[in-house]
Amino acid sequence: GDSVTQTEGLVTLTKGLPVMLNCTYQTTYSPFLFWYVQHLNEAPKLLLKSSTDNKRTEHQGFYATLHKSSSSFHLQKSSVQLSDSALYFCALSDRNNYAQGLTFGLGTRVSVFP
Amino acid sequence: EAAVTQSPRNKVTVTGGNVTLSCRQTNSHNYMYWYRQDTGHGLRLIHYSYGAGNLQIGDVPDGYKATRTTQEDFFLLLELASPSQTSLYFCASKDRGSQNTLYFGAGTRLSVL
Repeated sequence: GDSVTQTEGLVTLTKGLPVMLNCTYQTTYSPFLFWYVQHLNEAPKLLLKSSTDNKRTEHQGFYATLHKSSSSFHLQKSSVQLSDSALYFCALSDRNNYAQGLTFGLGTRVSVFP
Repeated sequence: EAAVTQSPRNKVTVTGGNVTLSCRQTNSHNYMYWYRQDTGHGLRLIHYSYGAGNLQIGDVPDGYKATRTTQEDFFLLLELASPSQTSLYFCASKDRGSQNTLYFGAGTRLSVL
């Protein structure tokens, strides 16, 4: 079945530094990848998504590129802000399991310090 | 943006108790989902539905029932609650043509003592 792996459970860094959150996936079908962000005591919200190979997608200063050759969809930001402290989920869907929604990774918590 | 409303926001019950979590979406989305979120496990799918009267089993259905009474309303039922069901529960919905984008409610925090 489908799976999503996020290797970092917790990332701590100082404001203004760059960040990269790793996401790799496994599926036998054509993938659609998502990043969701969840701030404390809030619902997860879509950050960005892509199904196009080797095309960078951006939103709110975050960006990611789907690389089907390496089954990866890493999330990056050039300069983090205090407000970026949150839990980030990578998620996967494919045409085979459309009704079941998304398969989520375990999440990466990002803590940004002044 | 799609609106998904969950109630209650917080609930405390005792072991063996009966609990119903409610979810309403007002965007005429076809699909609705119940997830639980636990540290170390991420978001896990309990049940889902693709229309009124339809119910599908997710990945962690044991101990849970669900019912989709209308296009808008999806309920999660715990008939004999256990401490292992202490969790944060999210409802989500999506439209058929939304490229699989899920819209989440604010969550219900359930404690089973």
